[in-house]
Amino acid sequence: SQQGEEDPQALSIQEGENATMNCSYKTSINNLQWYRQNSGRGLVHLILIRSNEREKHSGRLRVTLDTSKKSSSLLITASRAADTASYFCATDAFPNQFYFGTGTSLTVIP
Amino acid sequence: DAGITQSPRHKVTETGTPVTLRCHQTENHRYMYWYRQDPGHGLRLIHYSYGVKDTDKGEVSDGYSVSRSKTEDFLLTLESATSSQTSVYFCAISESRGGGYEQYFGPGTRLTVT
Repeated sequence: SQQGEEDPQALSIQEGENATMNCSYKTSINNLQWYRQNSGRGLVHLILIRSNEREKHSGRLRVTLDTSKKSSSLLITASRAADTASYFCATDAFPNQFYFGTGTSLTVIP
Repeated sequence: DAGITQSPRHKVTETGTPVTLRCHQTENHRYMYWYRQDPGHGLRLIHYSYGVKDTDKGEVSDGYSVSRSKTEDFLLTLESATSSQTSVYFCAISESRGGGYEQYFGPGTRLTVT
């Protein structure tokens, strides 16, 4: 399976702190994406990074990709209580075929 | 939400009964997907479709079948439900953006098999 693994499985931080979560995957990819899932809801796309990119920013999100290590990290800066959610990475070795990791559960304490 | 709806949103059924879940999209997307989500496993792909009557298996397709007779509808059928199929089921579409394909998800169907 190409399924990725997120690390840590759970993370609890104070509001205003930065949150970092990591994703490792097994095979070569075209793109890597991060998604957020609030409790009881569907996943929401956050950011896509292509295999030839090393870093990408979107608002308070920063994603890095190291294809030599088959790993990615998602950094959320200045976290807010509303960032409490589960975060998943997804890879696509083939166009339109996606494999999701097991997720990191983030709790931001007000 | 990319115009994706799922029905029913909740269902309780008995072991051995057939169950059909429906995914409906309004934006003419070519690719549609069914996933199941279970604690400790993340999202796992069941089946996907790349056009009307064109479908393929994912990593956990045993016990499931799908049909797509119209662009807007993608049906997932459990021919004879088992307790191991108790899960939350998500439908998704993919759309080309930003140099790659991004997925957009429906709200999910919580299925309990007793």
